[in-house]
Amino acid sequence: EDQVTQSPEALRLQEGESSSLNCSYTVSGLRGLFWYRQDPGKGPEFLFTLYSAGEEKEKERLKATLTKKESFLHITAPKPEDSATYLCAVQAPWNSNSGYALNFGKGTSLLVTP
Amino acid sequence: DAGVTQSPTHLIKTRGQHVTLRCSPISGHKSVSWYQQVLGQGPQFIFQYYEKEERGRGNFPDRFSARQFPNYSSELNVNALLLGDSALYLCASSGRGNSPLHFGNGTRLTVT
Repeated sequence: EDQVTQSPEALRLQEGESSSLNCSYTVSGLRGLFWYRQDPGKGPEFLFTLYSAGEEKEKERLKATLTKKESFLHITAPKPEDSATYLCAVQAPWNSNSGYALNFGKGTSLLVTP
Repeated sequence: DAGVTQSPTHLIKTRGQHVTLRCSPISGHKSVSWYQQVLGQGPQFIFQYYEKEERGRGNFPDRFSARQFPNYSSELNVNALLLGDSALYLCASSGRGNSPLHFGNGTRLTVT
């Protein structure tokens, strides 16, 4: 069964203090690993898709990396507006039951203080 | 361009009642998925539809059903509501191939 575990559950950073969020996964044949950002009361906002080990994607202060067992979301010099819950999800190859369903972790709640 | 739109934004129902949630995908997207998000958890897959056909179903009871219309909009129906159905219901649409899901802001359902 596919599993996605995110750590830490919560993280508090000072503005400018860089850190990384972890997403460990087990899946039978990874089709894609997705990172989303979710603000309170809103739907998840797409950030990155990673497809194979060694791949990296960057967007402003965020950088996502992927190995065969985990993905990291690196946050460089964060600002208070980066405060949100960050969700990781994996997608397995299509199957007749769940189609192309995303399997989400529980998320990491990030708070960046001034 | 408009994103995924969901209605209503908030809803309060009583146990045993029925509810219908609605979703309009991003223009040009033919696939719609529904997810349930309980407070403090990640979204959990309910259904996926593509070209009006069900392509995937998550581990939810038969009280949950959905359909997709010719204009690619979708409805999620839940019968015989239970307290445990209280959650944020998210709709997402996607384009061709391996394009990512784009989510709406959800419908917050409270069952009392």
